[in-house]
Amino acid sequence: QLQLQESGPGLLKPSETLSLTCTVSGGSISSSAYYWGWIRQPPGKGLEWIGSMYQRGTTYYNPSLDSRVTISVDPSKNQLSLKLTSVTAADTAVYYCVSPPQDWHSSGYFHMAHWGQGTLVIVSS
Amino acid sequence: ENVLTQSPGTLFLSPGERATLSCRASQSVRSSWLAWYQQIPGQAPRLLIYAASSRATGIPDRFSGSGSGTDFTLTISRLEPEDFAVYYCQQYATPPTFGQGTKVEIK
Repeated sequence: QLQLQESGPGLLKPSETLSLTCTVSGGSISSSAYYWGWIRQPPGKGLEWIGSMYQRGTTYYNPSLDSRVTISVDPSKNQLSLKLTSVTAADTAVYYCVSPPQDWHSSGYFHMAHWGQGTLVIVSS
Repeated sequence: ENVLTQSPGTLFLSPGERATLSCRASQSVRSSWLAWYQQIPGQAPRLLIYAASSRATGIPDRFSGSGSGTDFTLTISRLEPEDFAVYYCQQYATPPTFGQGTKVEIK
């Protein structure tokens, strides 16, 4: 059973870079069979897709965040990472690591069967 | 961007009643690649339905999805106490987008 666990700093100042990692267990981060992504949810608000990665490096990003976001993998640690530069208060949210069902092979856009527990990031001066 | 609009914003129902939630897309959703999620406060969302009408693993059969094109529906046939939550639809045919959510509250 695939399990995902996010980690990273919970408090950032405006203009800093958000860096989160997602540790994967129950599967290999570098397998071509797997797809990965990040979703965020501002407190009390809805869900927003940040981006996804598949086929060992192909990435798609939300156009509204494209210039600031990078998703990558570290196979040696079996981790997915998210970097978001120049953060503002609008980036305050719970950030989730996600993955589709393990039989999904259709697209880098997918439905999310597996979710981490989420990590809250607050941007405040 | 394919904008998803969910209605109603809040649904007040009693346990045992039927819930009908709507999700309307601004553009047709190719291949009916539309999913529904349930979120209980303080928890991550849980996948209920994918491809408009397929139940995810372990989801009770009181949850069903239907629709195609731009109009989709999630139905909960008889509400259980644990079903009072927020529900989101999501399309994944193009860069994923989510609806704003429907909250199912106890009447």
